[in-house]
Amino acid sequence: DSGVTQTPKHLITATGQRVTLRCSPRSGDLSVYWYQQSLDQGLQFLIQYYNGEERAKGNILERFSAQQFPDLHSELNLSSLELGDSALYFCASSPGQGVNTEAFFGQGTRLTVV
Amino acid sequence: GDSVTQMEGPVTLSEEAFLTINCTYTATGYPSLFWYVQYPGEGLQLLLKATKADDKGSNKGFEATYRKETTSFHLEKGSVQVSDSAVYFCALSDPGTGGGNKLTFGTGTQLKVEL
Repeated sequence: DSGVTQTPKHLITATGQRVTLRCSPRSGDLSVYWYQQSLDQGLQFLIQYYNGEERAKGNILERFSAQQFPDLHSELNLSSLELGDSALYFCASSPGQGVNTEAFFGQGTRLTVV
Repeated sequence: GDSVTQMEGPVTLSEEAFLTINCTYTATGYPSLFWYVQYPGEGLQLLLKATKADDKGSNKGFEATYRKETTSFHLEKGSVQVSDSAVYFCALSDPGTGGGNKLTFGTGTQLKVEL
């Protein structure tokens, strides 16, 4: 158990809908990261927050948004869903934001868009 | 931009065989290098890391050496076990990417170890 909690574990929704994925980082970790894992794109970095502020952005679509709350949990919002958004979404956390910092991953949320 | 290339899988080995999974990288700055492992139905776990040239990361019998001259970080294990069956990801974190410490991953190599 990494200490990172993601909910829900599975999500099935229709095209055009909007969903929210939730992540609770390890106790004391200030950085939260979101990654998307799909068969065709592999593991792609989406976005990083550090202590409530956006720190780095990757290949995140405009239909997707995220935030980190004062209690440090984070939410990833996916809207106008398309079939191609079906993927495993991972959240990770780390104590700081240095490049040597180990990231601890949650078990992921499997999103299926039908 | 940054990229990580690792050998295609799946790799199938007999128990106690020697394992090598090749990984090479390109990076803007001077990256830190990682190997993560993903067991079925689970998230990624850090296996080992190296932060500067010639560093050797090691854990659970796995080793990898940061080779700056060949931009490589190959994963090795002298004697694999059935319990090592998983997907292995090579990754880097690059300070030259202008902020944050995102991980850039390779495509993953599936390892299957048979009795």
